[in-house]
Parts: sequence; C-alpha cells; structure tokens
Amino acid sequence: RKEVEQDPGPFNVPEGATVAFNCTYSNSASQSFFWYRQDCRKEPKLLMSVYSSGNEDGRFTAQLNRASQYISLLIRDSKLSDSATYLCVVNHYLQAGTALIFGKGTTLSVSS
Amino acid sequence: DAGVTQSPTHLIKTRGQQVTLRCSPKSGHDTVSWYQQALGQGPQFIFQYYEEEERQRGNFPDRFSGHQFPNYSSELNVNALLLGDSALYLCASSTGTGIVDTQYFGPGTRLTVL
Repeated sequence: RKEVEQDPGPFNVPEGATVAFNCTYSNSASQSFFWYRQDCRKEPKLLMSVYSSGNEDGRFTAQLNRASQYISLLIRDSKLSDSATYLCVVNHYLQAGTALIFGKGTTLSVSS
Repeated sequence: DAGVTQSPTHLIKTRGQQVTLRCSPKSGHDTVSWYQQALGQGPQFIFQYYEEEERQRGNFPDRFSGHQFPNYSSELNVNALLLGDSALYLCASSTGTGIVDTQYFGPGTRLTVL
C-alpha cells in the first residue's frame, strides 16, 4: 500500500464548478498535512496546510480526518487558472528530521 | 528576497556518467531536502541536510549522495547514471526547526539520461 494515495483523475470541470479531491495516508504517526499545487513542468508550490479543525482560504477548503487517515480539498467556483496537478502531502517526523511524502497528484482541468 | 535556486535547469547525460546538481536555499533557511520526481509521479524524498550533515534519507541507493556547505547551499551527486534516473530533481529548503517544517521548492533540474 502506498503511503499517500490519491485519485489521479483527470478531473475535467467547467468554470464555476465545485470539485473535491480526496487523499488517504497510511502512517498514523504523521503529524502535518498539506496540499501543494504543481503546474506543468514547474515546481510544487504550497497551496495550504491542513488542520484537524478544517481550514479555508478563499475558494479552497481543506479537511483532515485523523481517525480515517483521510484528507480532502474542496475548490469552489473553479477558475481556468485552477487547472493544475494537486498533490496531497504528509510530513513524516523521522528520527532526526522530516520528510515530505507526496501522493502522485490529481490533475484538474477547468474549461470555459 | 531570493527564493530557492537550482542549477543547472536542464542536463543531458549518458548512462554510467556522474552528475552534480546544485541548490541554494531561501534566505534564512538552513535545511535542504532533495526530491526526485519521475514523469507522472509525485516527488520522492531522497535525503535531507542540516548543519552540513545528512540527517535523514529516503529509499535511494548509495549512488545518490550529497553535501551541504557552511553557507547552507547543497549539492546532489548521482554516480553511475541509469536510464531510470531521468527525472526532475527538486530541492526544497526550510528552517529545520519547529513542528511545522514548511518546505519551499526550487524550480528543479531536469535530468535526461540517454
């Protein structure tokens, strides 16, 4: 079983749609969680951290369920500029440092 | 404020050769992590450097080695290149302290092994 699993998509949605991405992780000792966005042939960029209480940043809402080891990202009112790959990321606290563990990513394509 | 920089941007090598990739962390950051991203995959953790020492390593062979300099910049070395080493190599920097260790990525070096 992969440490972080995501539905690879692609998700093809029209502008204005609401889309949800899901992610599961296998290591119950994981401490922090993120969504990164990656545009084609570019580096990943932090979209938002994910907290147990849930958090929102404009049109983006992230949720974490520690009991189910499940993370979600909701995008409301999709824009053309939201087209990208969304990476679910878990931070493992190892003996002497940390390592980000990435899912394969979910591709979103927003069309007009 | 300069972000994370990497050089070179692109590189073409042949099997069996050796390559060195370079990374300068974001100002104020002292920890550098390296990741390999193959086409269609998420980045995979190679190793992390802090205080000039490798403090954590992912599941990569010894052909992958690194170094961190006193100014916190870092190098990734790959020996005896294989076709499967073709990937985007990403460097990420962070402060190395605190519970939430947010990492910021450089633009990457795209390595092609022929």
